[in-house]
Amino acid sequence: DAKTTQPNSMESNEEEPVHLPCNHSTISGTDYIHWYRQLPSQGPEYVIHGLTSNVNNRMASLAIAEDRKSSTLILHRATLRDAAVYYCILPPPGAGNMLTFGGGTRLMVKP
Amino acid sequence: EAGVAQSPRYKIIEKRQSVAFWCNPISGHATLYWYQQILGQGPKLLIQFQNNGVVDDSQLPKDRFSAERLKGVDSTLKIQPAKLEDSAVYLCASSYTSGAFYEQYFGPGTRLTVT
Repeated sequence: DAKTTQPNSMESNEEEPVHLPCNHSTISGTDYIHWYRQLPSQGPEYVIHGLTSNVNNRMASLAIAEDRKSSTLILHRATLRDAAVYYCILPPPGAGNMLTFGGGTRLMVKP
Repeated sequence: EAGVAQSPRYKIIEKRQSVAFWCNPISGHATLYWYQQILGQGPKLLIQFQNNGVVDDSQLPKDRFSAERLKGVDSTLKIQPAKLEDSAVYLCASSYTSGAFYEQYFGPGTRLTVT
């Protein structure tokens, strides 16, 4: 399975952009990159996913490196509600949307 | 649209007792997942159902854990007998199907404490 590496924690100020990095150097050509987040005392929630091109939705943007060995989740204006653990996940090849969660990045947002 | 429902939200039992968790997925979702999340770790997939069939249960401790999804809708996860190390949050999730494009929707979880 392709392995992901994320920083354990990051800090941001409220209303500033946040760039959450993820390294996945063993990614294969057909692996989708999924991001989920988990707010305190809640189940995880889907954020965004992509394959090759950069992706945008109402929650965030996903910037994927040209060689696909890394990606960055971008929160354009962090709010206190964005404080969560962010998981970058690559499902095993052929496993559809099966998720293997690592430790993720704990994002702290300061007012 | 109603989300994934789970009950109970909290459960405290003694070791060697039995416990069951219930999950009602989002209407129309064919795929259902059970995860175990130990404090400080990411969720770990225990079992995946597609309709009422098991797709993957490779990480389910089958000597004590069992799960079923009768009629391809609701699901129950049972632990019998419980051990101290089973203390965790048990999360249920569902998705429309299991293709790579489909996101998973998670319930609030059941927090189990085994004493």
